[in-house]
Amino acid sequence: NAGVTQTPKFQVLKTGQSMTLQCAQDMNHEYMSWYRQDPGMGLRLIHYSVGAGITDQGEVPNGYNVSRSTTEDFPLRLLSAAPSQTSVYFCASSYFPRGTYEQYFGPGTRLTVT
Amino acid sequence: ILNVEQSPQSLHVQEGDSTNFTCSFPSSNFYALHWYRWETAKSPEALFVMTLNGDEKKKGRISATLNTKEGYSYLYIKGSQPEDSATYLCAAWASGGYQKVTFGTGTKLQVIP
Repeated sequence: NAGVTQTPKFQVLKTGQSMTLQCAQDMNHEYMSWYRQDPGMGLRLIHYSVGAGITDQGEVPNGYNVSRSTTEDFPLRLLSAAPSQTSVYFCASSYFPRGTYEQYFGPGTRLTVT
Repeated sequence: ILNVEQSPQSLHVQEGDSTNFTCSFPSSNFYALHWYRWETAKSPEALFVMTLNGDEKKKGRISATLNTKEGYSYLYIKGSQPEDSATYLCAAWASGGYQKVTFGTGTKLQVIP
């Protein structure tokens, strides 16, 4: 199993550009989520999905869109990048054995918006 | 959003020393606590999932305890080794669904050979 994969690893965007961060998992997990990591802060939830076709907002959703057309893929779209979106982005997939979540993280995408 | 705090922010220990750090979280509506190990340039890797008051988990030289009534968890490392150098994250889940998670900012451990 590849686990959770993310592409690209690094990206530089200009303000106003759009792009999609890709995330895929091959563990057949129901739950998938996107987090951002900023200096001095804990990982913050951007959007999450509890199954194909179902998405919802997390703590910091503004400026980001997601969709979940398949169990495997959960792309994160930045419609008009802003410098405040400079961050490291982690995708995670989870399942729910024994009454609690088990999360697996991807390797991260480091995004710089100039 | 829960207020999850970890202390200390960072610490340096000598190889062979034992150490511990703390994760504090609100005790009301508690659902689960996760500990992760996060090496530089890698992704967080799950260490423990804890749900019950009094839970104790162990993996090799690393162990964790949970007190849900007072809202804290301790992570212990016995006989620290240089390969234990990493940031240790905790994440607390409140009741109410997958989105009710808050991560702490982590404790960065450096083990000096």
